[in-house]
This record gives sequence, C-alpha cells and structure tokens, in this order.
Amino acid sequence: NAGVTQTPKFRILKIGQSMTLQCTQDMNHNYMYWYRQDPGMGLKLIYYSVGAGITDKGEVPNGYNVSRSTTEDFPLRLELAAPSQTSVYFCASSYTRTYQPQHFGDGTRLSIL
Amino acid sequence: ELKVEQNPLFLSMQEGKNYTIYCNYSTTSDRLYWYRQDPGKSLESLFVLLSNGAVKQEGRLMASLDTKARLSTLHITAAVHDLSATYFCAVDGWVDSNYQLIWGAGTKLIIKP
Repeated sequence: NAGVTQTPKFRILKIGQSMTLQCTQDMNHNYMYWYRQDPGMGLKLIYYSVGAGITDKGEVPNGYNVSRSTTEDFPLRLELAAPSQTSVYFCASSYTRTYQPQHFGDGTRLSIL
Repeated sequence: ELKVEQNPLFLSMQEGKNYTIYCNYSTTSDRLYWYRQDPGKSLESLFVLLSNGAVKQEGRLMASLDTKARLSTLHITAAVHDLSATYFCAVDGWVDSNYQLIWGAGTKLIIKP
C-alpha cells in the first residue's frame, strides 16, 4: 500500500532557484492538496485539485504553481525560491472533499538559503 | 476570520495520568477531524466527527464534538509513552472563497515514563 508518495524528502535550494516537488497517489482519489507546515503552526493550504485538469488556489498560493494532468500526480512548482518558502511541504489526497479524512505523504523538508 | 484554537499547545505528563486537549473553533461546522503527527513524520488520521454529540474512541483516546459550543475534546486515559506526539484538530470551513480544512496549531504531548 503506497498511498501518497512525495519526492524528494529533503532539499536545499539557493535563493532564486526553482524546483518541483512531486506527489503521486495510488488510491484513485479525485481530491489532492498541497500544504505547508511552518514550525509551531498548523497546516496552510497552498493549492488543491478536485480532479485531473482542475486546480485552484488555497490560502497561501503566491510563489507556487501546480498542475494536474492525471488523477495520480499533483506536482508543486516553486519559481524563484525565497527564504520565506523554507518549510515542510505535505501532499494529501481524499476520496471526497469533506466527511472523510485526508491521507498524507511523508513530507518534503525544503530549506532555501 | 475563521480560527481554530487548541489548548494547551504543549503538555508534559506522567504515564498513567488522564488529560484532555481542547479544540475551539469560530465558525458553524459539524465536521471536525483529529490527526496525530510523530516527530519528523507525516500526519495520520485519528477521528472524524460528523455531528453534534459525536463520540469516538480508539484505545486510550476518546474524541467528542459539541457543535453548539464549537468545541471538541480529545481525552487521553491512563497515558502511555507511545502516545507522545503532536495532535492537530481541523475544521471544515470557508477561507476567502475556498471551502477547506482549517487547522489548529497543534498540541505537543510528551508522556514521561
């Protein structure tokens, strides 16, 4: 049971670099989410998707982009990395928008120096 | 602004003791979720509470929801070291134009032998 798989687990970027965080789920969930978790804080929603080809902004979308070409994959792209984007990033998926829990990947720890 | 507040944010307790974590929220919602996160790990769903008066139990953990008081509690009975983790509550609600999960800041629980 793979569930939600995120890669990489760790990454250090220089200011101004770009990268893509990968997320794949094998549960055939329509809904997928990207969150960031800063120390001592709850999760903040960056982007979400309700199905292949459909994405929308969450609370904190600035500096990020997403795409959803398949049901399984939901990559998150950082353009022009900034120190404020240093965080732990979690991808999650769920079968329905509400009433059921979200399933999380193991996270990507990203440091921007 | 929709807020989800947990207290305490940090709790250190002895094995064998009972304690309660509180989750207050500022919107009308009848759906509340509890998650557990071990250090450096992903989030794991514990309970989904879907109506006023809902009570769920798993081992030494019991969660309840009072939608009129906008309050959920997570009660720990006869704590054991393995329950040491950070516990998050989250509520379905509106943030700007998005209907999403809004997260509390988490309660870090340390249980000493």
